[in-house]
Formats: sequence, C-alpha cells, structure tokens
Amino acid sequence: GAGVSQSPSNKVTEKGKDVELRCDPISGHTALYWYRQSLGQGLEFLIYFQGNSAPDKSGLPSDRFSAERTGGSVSTLTIQRTQQEDSAVYLCASSPSRISGANVLTFGAGSRLTVL
Amino acid sequence: RKEVEQDPGPFNVPEGATVAFNCTYSNSASQSFFWYRQDCRKEPKLLMSVYSSGNEDGRFTAQLNRASQYISLLIRDSKLSDSATYLCVVLEYALNFGKGTSLLVTP
Repeated sequence: GAGVSQSPSNKVTEKGKDVELRCDPISGHTALYWYRQSLGQGLEFLIYFQGNSAPDKSGLPSDRFSAERTGGSVSTLTIQRTQQEDSAVYLCASSPSRISGANVLTFGAGSRLTVL
Repeated sequence: RKEVEQDPGPFNVPEGATVAFNCTYSNSASQSFFWYRQDCRKEPKLLMSVYSSGNEDGRFTAQLNRASQYISLLIRDSKLSDSATYLCVVLEYALNFGKGTSLLVTP
C-alpha cells in the first residue's frame, strides 16, 4: 500500500479483556517495528521483525504482550488481560530493510487503546 | 536500553525567531541519528537525518558532535506551522526516541 495502515484506529476495552491490533506495512518493506506512546511520553520500543529472522522481543513489557508477523507482511500485536496502564497509542512502522542512515521508518497513524 | 535525553520545553518563540534544540545520547556506538517531527495526536514523521558533517534543509540545520555525544537542530525564521514536538532519534538496533521538545511559535 501507499503507507502503513493500522487498525483499529481507536479501541476501548474493559480491564481483563484481550485486544488485537493490526499493522499492514508498506509493500516490500522487510522491517517492521511496534512502538507505544503513552500520554505525554516518548516512544517506547516494543518489538522488531526483520524478514524471516526471529523477532527482537526485548521491548515487550510483560508476557501479556505478544506479536506475530505472517508471511513477512501483516503483523498483529496481541495484549492479553489488558490493564489500565496498557492505555496508549500503539504505533507500527516499517522500513525497506534494517534501519541505516538511508533507510528510515514510516509510521502508521497508530491505534489508540483505552482500557477502562 | 541506552538513553536519549532532550529538554522537554516548551519553547515559546515569536514568528521569525531562531530556535535551537539539543539532544544527548549515551551510546557512543550509535551510528545514525535523525530528527522526527510529531504534530499533536499524529504519528512521528521524519524531518531530517543528521550527518557527521552537519547538514541543512532550508530553514533547518542539524549538527552532530560525536565527541560530546549530542545532536542539535536549529530552526531559522520560525513559522507558525513549525509548532510541533521535535523528537531526537538515535539508531541502535532499533530507533531509540527521545521524549521530544515541544515548540510553540506565536504570532
């Protein structure tokens, strides 16, 4: 596609429910990142996929968070048993390959998650 | 995870003013540096990469000082449309973002 597409754009859920957030990267981009941004805070790295390599999960805050990327394209971020502190904007970004001085990230518009 | 530090501001400046933001990073092995811009409730967008020799794009000038591990962004002749949060970004194995510096340009 022309840009990084994320859905849903807004999600309100009750504490304890599971949520799935979807990211469709730019066609042909092999690198895909998930970040989250809490109100008034910077971007927090969550997970990174590069081609068919094992993902870098070092930023996931707890085992309630998981992500997969099927067929090297679409990615789903799953949050189980949501907590109020999970409320944030979840941003997906992609780049043509591993980030370098030339390859930069293009972000989607984000999925705003509110846990009541 | 290594730190990227920025003055959060806000910087309130009149139209036409020159304003500078600094950013420090802790990982001396970092190789690539960027400034991103984020408008309110929008996603970050690349403003410019930062090259070792310094680089300029119109009214925007970026500088890198590897010895002191800081990056700067200079905006000349500020416009109202420059009002945004400016994110300093350092490449480690993922892009490591600072929390941003808020700029408000007033008439």
